[in-house]
Amino acid sequence: QQPVQSPQAVILREGEDAVINCSSSKALYSVHWYRQKHGEAPVFLMILLKGGEQKGHEKISASFNEKKQQSSLYLTASQLSYSGTYFCGTYSPTSNTGKLIFGQGTTLQVKP
Amino acid sequence: DAGITQSPRHKVTETGTPVTLRCHQTENHRYMYWYRQDPGHGLRLIHYSYGVKDTDKGEVSDGYSVSRSKTEDFLLTLESATSSQTSVYFCAISVMGGDNSPLHFGNGTRLTVT
Repeated sequence: QQPVQSPQAVILREGEDAVINCSSSKALYSVHWYRQKHGEAPVFLMILLKGGEQKGHEKISASFNEKKQQSSLYLTASQLSYSGTYFCGTYSPTSNTGKLIFGQGTTLQVKP
Repeated sequence: DAGITQSPRHKVTETGTPVTLRCHQTENHRYMYWYRQDPGHGLRLIHYSYGVKDTDKGEVSDGYSVSRSKTEDFLLTLESATSSQTSVYFCAISVMGGDNSPLHFGNGTRLTVT
């Protein structure tokens, strides 16, 4: 079952912040985050393995709440280059054979 | 660069015809995946492989088959293409598999079934 991402789309001005959420109905081992620019392949951003762990990638960071079965991606002081579609991918204990299941994606548009 | 090449990059085919998409990698990684991407659905796993001749089904495997006779090649076959299989298909590899290994994607194949 796919994780659910929210919001589906967000429009920002440069310098503004955004949060993208990813929730699962199943217990999770880990959460991956990827970004895809229009017409390109998805690109890996980060993995979160432990409950409550936060990771950072420049001004993009994420948290993973194992208990709540959810993860959030934080984009701080957004830049034009942050525009794209963001996907979370989750592994569940029942599917830990190499299967990463993605959410439906959140489209982020950053305007000047 | 994970050394992943997908071919063809674009294909238009007619309903009912068989189609094979190829994913080739140069790094001899064990784990390979086929996803399809459709608006509103994100990336959905079709099939994956954890070694030569070792494959398993994903979320949306009906109408698709795969083969992996060599480490470097993972083939996806649409046995009788339908319009619902019009999509962008991405191949991905994982160095180690499992929950702590990132996926690296190929550039995709855009398939149109008329």
